[in-house]
Amino acid sequence: EAGVAQSPRYKIIEKRQSVAFWCNPISGHATLYWYQQILGQGPKLLIQFQNNGVVDDSQLPKDRFSAERLKGVDSTLKIQPAKLEDSAVYLCASSEAGGPGDEQFFGPGTRLTVL
Amino acid sequence: GQNIDQPTEMTATEGAIVQINCTYQTSGFNGLFWYQQHAGEAPTFLSYNVLDGLEEKGRFSSFLSRSKGYSYLLLKELQMKDSASYLCAVSSGAGSYQLTFGKGTKLSVIP
Repeated sequence: EAGVAQSPRYKIIEKRQSVAFWCNPISGHATLYWYQQILGQGPKLLIQFQNNGVVDDSQLPKDRFSAERLKGVDSTLKIQPAKLEDSAVYLCASSEAGGPGDEQFFGPGTRLTVL
Repeated sequence: GQNIDQPTEMTATEGAIVQINCTYQTSGFNGLFWYQQHAGEAPTFLSYNVLDGLEEKGRFSSFLSRSKGYSYLLLKELQMKDSASYLCAVSSGAGSYQLTFGKGTKLSVIP
């Protein structure tokens, strides 16, 4: 079974530029998550989708971050404009149904450096 | 809000036993996960506890006390490959469920 795919793996941009990350979850998984992991910290949930609807985006900085999951499969996370503090690894995860005990499967992440 | 505490770093010797503690304060608690994350890699699932008590899975065991807001991960017969960060994560919510992660405990296994 193929895992969660993400691209690109690495991205370096200058502040005020825009960037987009792509995620393809495990086939059949209804729930998709985007996390931000700053060096030395645990992942922080940015947004959670159930199929193609948003169920939680309370920690998403909506003035600069946006995400979509068209057709309930792939997802894109965008940052526009980027700030220095956005430097982090952006992890995408998926789970079968989003239940309280559902294991989340993580992709390899995109390491973003903002200069 | 959620508050999860775990030690920042631990060191243990190959072949030994190590216990990584996690305390939490949360509303709407559903259960507690432990994930392993090797440097530069994605987190991978280790265990999930929803009821009080000990869950054993090979060399790894996880314990939960809901009344005390406390969990630990026990690693036996440590191997060098166990050097990694161990993340405690609380599942909370109703209807939709979110994971809140602690900052992680970096475990170094030395010969």
